[in-house]
Amino acid sequence: KQEVTQIPAALSVPEGENLVLNCSFTDSAIYNLQWFRQDPGKGLTSLLLIQSSQREQTSGRLNASLDKSSGRSTLYIAASQPGDSATYLCAVNGAGSYQLTFGKGTKLSVIP
Amino acid sequence: DTGVSQNPRHKITKRGQNVTFRCDPISEHNRLYWYRQTLGQGPEFLTYFQNEAQLEKSRLLSDRFSAERPKGSFSTLEIQRTEQGDSAMYLCASSGLAGLTNTGELFFGEGSRLTVL
Repeated sequence: KQEVTQIPAALSVPEGENLVLNCSFTDSAIYNLQWFRQDPGKGLTSLLLIQSSQREQTSGRLNASLDKSSGRSTLYIAASQPGDSATYLCAVNGAGSYQLTFGKGTKLSVIP
Repeated sequence: DTGVSQNPRHKITKRGQNVTFRCDPISEHNRLYWYRQTLGQGPEFLTYFQNEAQLEKSRLLSDRFSAERPKGSFSTLEIQRTEQGDSAMYLCASSGLAGLTNTGELFFGEGSRLTVL
């Protein structure tokens, strides 16, 4: 059974810092990995999708990497802003299934 | 608005009542998913539709839960005889065609929050 772990569970940084969020998964047989952002009481917003054949994806200040063989992904946020405060979730799409398995998320607070 | 739409956004009901949630996916997406999320947890998969066919169901989807997607457009999720443990956020997502079981990028709605008293 696929398990996804996100470390740390919570993170507080001053505005302007660069930061890294970590995601690990137990079964490397995946089709893709997706990073989402969730604001309190809201749905999920897709940030980046990395296919299993890719090593990284970039969107603006966000960069996500994938090391499938070691079961790890990182989300790098450059020059953090208070508006980046949210919970960040990673999810993997295991081979042979249509479901995504999610981690519990990292709650990020960016202090002005 | 061309995103995923869910209704109602909030539902408060008494234990034992039936509730129904509706999801309208992004119009060109033929894949539709339901997830459930409780406080402090990541979403958990419930079920998946490709067009009108329900192709995958989680063991979380007990016999009190039923989902439909008539005509491959909108979908409904019904919970019969609600229990307090059903209180959660019910999230719907859609995606376009990708590989055989490669979901591609999922786009989520704002969710329907259920509170069972």
